Amino acid sequence: NAGVTQTPKFRVLKTGQSMTLLCAQDMNHEYMYWYRQDPGMGLRLIHYSVGEGTTAKGEVPDGYNVSRLKKQNFLLGLESAAPSQTSVYFCASLKQNNYGYTFGSGTRLTVV
Amino acid sequence: TQLLEQSPQFLSIQEGENLTVYCNSSSVFSSLQWYRQEPGEGPVLLVTVVTGGEVKKLKRLTFQFGDARKDSSLHITAAQPGDTGLYLCAGAPGSNYKLTFGKGTLLTVNP
Repeated sequence: NAGVTQTPKFRVLKTGQSMTLLCAQDMNHEYMYWYRQDPGMGLRLIHYSVGEGTTAKGEVPDGYNVSRLKKQNFLLGLESAAPSQTSVYFCASLKQNNYGYTFGSGTRLTVV
Repeated sequence: TQLLEQSPQFLSIQEGENLTVYCNSSSVFSSLQWYRQEPGEGPVLLVTVVTGGEVKKLKRLTFQFGDARKDSSLHITAAQPGDTGLYLCAGAPGSNYKLTFGKGTLLTVNP
């Protein structure tokens, strides 16, 4: 099993550009999450999904949108990138009634 | 938002030393997890504790959940360079599907 796969691994955007980060999991997990990790700030939840077709806001949702059209995929969109969105983004998944997230290896995004 | 405070924030020790890192909150958690994150990678689950007072061991790592389920500790015996990494605690305030993460303890074990 591949686990949680994030693409791309690195990306540089110009301010105002848009992009989509893709997260794919092959473990049939119900829950999926997008976090950002910044120095001194820890992991902060952006959006999450408790099942196919559902999404919910986390702690820092502004400037991001998400979609979960298929159970195995969770997409994070930036419509108009800002330098404040420079960060490392992690996707995670969790099987219902289990403990412990499975994380992807991250996407390092720089907005210039 | 229920906060998890981790201490110390940074720890640099020599190979063979023992260490303890702490994860504290004023809130009660139904479960608490510890993760280790290496540079350029995502966090990896080490252990989950769910019962107040519970102690779990993973080789040289000992995890304890406080009796009141508000705090936890991670003790490493005879640290090795391979233990180097960012240690994160995460708590589930209610349902286990939504975690709150601490900011982490960055451990460096020097050979």
